[in-house]
This record gives sequence, structure tokens and C-alpha cells, in this order.
Amino acid sequence: EVQLVASGGGLVQPGKSLRLSCAASGFTFDDYAMHWVRQAPGKGLEWVSGISWDSGTIGYADSVKGRFTISRDNAKNSLYLQMNSLTAEDTALYYCAKDIAAASLYYFDCWGQGTLVTVSS
Amino acid sequence: EIVMTQSPATLSVSPGERATLSCRASQSVSGNLAWYQQKPGQAPRLLIYGASTRATGIPARFSGSGSGTEFTLTISSLQSEDFAIYYCQQYNNWLTFGGGTKVEIK
Repeated sequence: EVQLVASGGGLVQPGKSLRLSCAASGFTFDDYAMHWVRQAPGKGLEWVSGISWDSGTIGYADSVKGRFTISRDNAKNSLYLQMNSLTAEDTALYYCAKDIAAASLYYFDCWGQGTLVTVSS
Repeated sequence: EIVMTQSPATLSVSPGERATLSCRASQSVSGNLAWYQQKPGQAPRLLIYGASTRATGIPARFSGSGSGTEFTLTISSLQSEDFAIYYCQQYNNWLTFGGGTKVEIK
């Protein structure tokens, strides 16, 4: 069974940093691209960032470009999101999601339950 | 960035009726479109990819159509478990989601 367990969320002050992690199991992690997708309270879905199996293809939403950095460690079956210069607009539930492909960024066939990030003073 | 616009924002439908949801792209995404269903407190679930291919385990009452800039998700006969929010997502040029359509009980 595919499992994606995100962690690292919490309450953080504006301007500070936070690092999210996603532990994957139940599939061959380095056979797939991975993503972060977020959902602000009561709002819709927003793709944040994605990374191919070998980290050769990386993409970011315009709203986080230059502030967030996605990475992965295939030896540890883990996905990360380093978030810097956080603002209240970054407050959301952050989902870790598995792509259907390895080398390109397409769509998501499995999602974790998410980790909540709240940016507030 | 490709902007995805879904309509209507809310659709009120009686159980057993047909529901038609629309998704429009600001520029052509070819057939690179997926649909998801999200219920309260749950992660989204993949329904359709490639604009018209049902994902594994998705009932036949869900169908997708369209290409280029205009797409439709049709639920042929709404069941109680289908009342949820539906999102389209393009993957032709990076990835973007539509704002969602809430399907509620009439």
C-alpha cells in the first residue's frame, strides 16, 4: 500500500523558515516524480513544486519561486520542501503527492494526508 | 502561467440526476488534463487523466471529454457519495489547478 506521510508543519512567524518532509513507502520511490500541493483553509488546491525522479526536472509555482526549494533523497525514500521568507499567504495544508511518471511532471495518483503550516505572529 | 477556470462554482443536483462540470484553459493544454474529487477532510482522489481516461477503480458514471481549452466532467447519475468538490488540473505547461466546482445536494 502506498503511504505518504508529511511532517514538519507548525506555527511559524512571518519571515521565518520551515522545512517539510514526506516519508514514502509502498512503492519504488526513485521510479516516480514527486510534488507538494497546498490548500489554504477553505480554499482550492495549488500546486507548489515538483521534482523528477533524479532531481533533473524541478518546477515551482510563481507564488513560491525564489523562496521555496524542493529536494529529495532517494536513499531515504524522502521528499523535502524548504520554505523561506514565509508570509501569511503561505498558511495552508501541504500535501505530498506522487506523480504517475518518473522524468516529467504530470498529475498525481496518490496523496498523503498533509501537514498544516500556519504563518502568524 | 496557464490559468484554469472552472464553472459553475457550485452546482446543485438531485441524486440520480446528471451533473456537467466545465473547465477552461487560458491557452491550449492539448489533452493534458486531469480531474480530481475531494471530500471534506480528505485528500483529493484522481478521477480522470488524459482528459478522458478513468483512473483505476473509478466508476463508469464518471466521464471526461474535451481537448485544447475546453473540458467537461460528466457524472451520469449522481450517487450520494459523489457530492464533493471537483478540480481540474492541467499538466501541459507545468501544473495548475482550477478553482473547483462544489457539487451539492439539491
